[in-house]
Amino acid sequence: AQKITQTQPGMFVQEKEAVTLDCTYDTSDQSYGLFWYKQPSSGEMIFLIYQGSYDEQNATEGRYSLNFQKARKSTNLVISASQLGDSAMYFCAMREEGAQKLVFGQGTRLTINP
Amino acid sequence: DAGVIQSPRHEVTEMGQEVTLRCKPISGHDYLFWYRQTMMRGLELLIYFNNNVPIDDSGMPEDRFSAKMPNASFSTLKIQPSEPRDSAVYFCACAGSRNEKLFFGSGTQLSVL
Repeated sequence: AQKITQTQPGMFVQEKEAVTLDCTYDTSDQSYGLFWYKQPSSGEMIFLIYQGSYDEQNATEGRYSLNFQKARKSTNLVISASQLGDSAMYFCAMREEGAQKLVFGQGTRLTINP
Repeated sequence: DAGVIQSPRHEVTEMGQEVTLRCKPISGHDYLFWYRQTMMRGLELLIYFNNNVPIDDSGMPEDRFSAKMPNASFSTLKIQPSEPRDSAVYFCACAGSRNEKLFFGSGTQLSVL
């Protein structure tokens, strides 16, 4: 079964608009961590934001924030005031309790149009 | 710190040849991971080490793949013999002792002809 599901293979957004990238996950653990990474066309993997399962507040990092809904097992990434440089692949990932490895979703390709 | 350093950046080889990918993790990071990225399968974990010891190699596709970490500052991923289906981007990543976020290298683009 898929641990991490990103249902949007591609998204197109106008510059300066906000965008929400969806991610749902599957785990029976109570303690886990959720991550988002950005992969621009140059190929490197850039860490964006982290949410722990016990964190009561939604994580925020600059223009990035998470809409973490634990009961629904979803952790959507919100990018405010999108910029052309936000065009990239975005990966959601999870680390379960007791495991050290990150399991990644298939990614969403975001394209920001001028 | 220079971050995670992988070499080579690009490797083109012929089927049947041995390929060795190299990684230098961030100093002091106890965990080292090897991932493979393809269009069809996305990002797959191949193997990871903790304090130079292989912990989980269940993602290694077959015996043609092997990985070593002889010391805290160096790891290799070897494919022998290589096959066209091994063509992918191979990432090395590391994490600190609390194993929070992963820091990725720039990846090695491998093409097996």
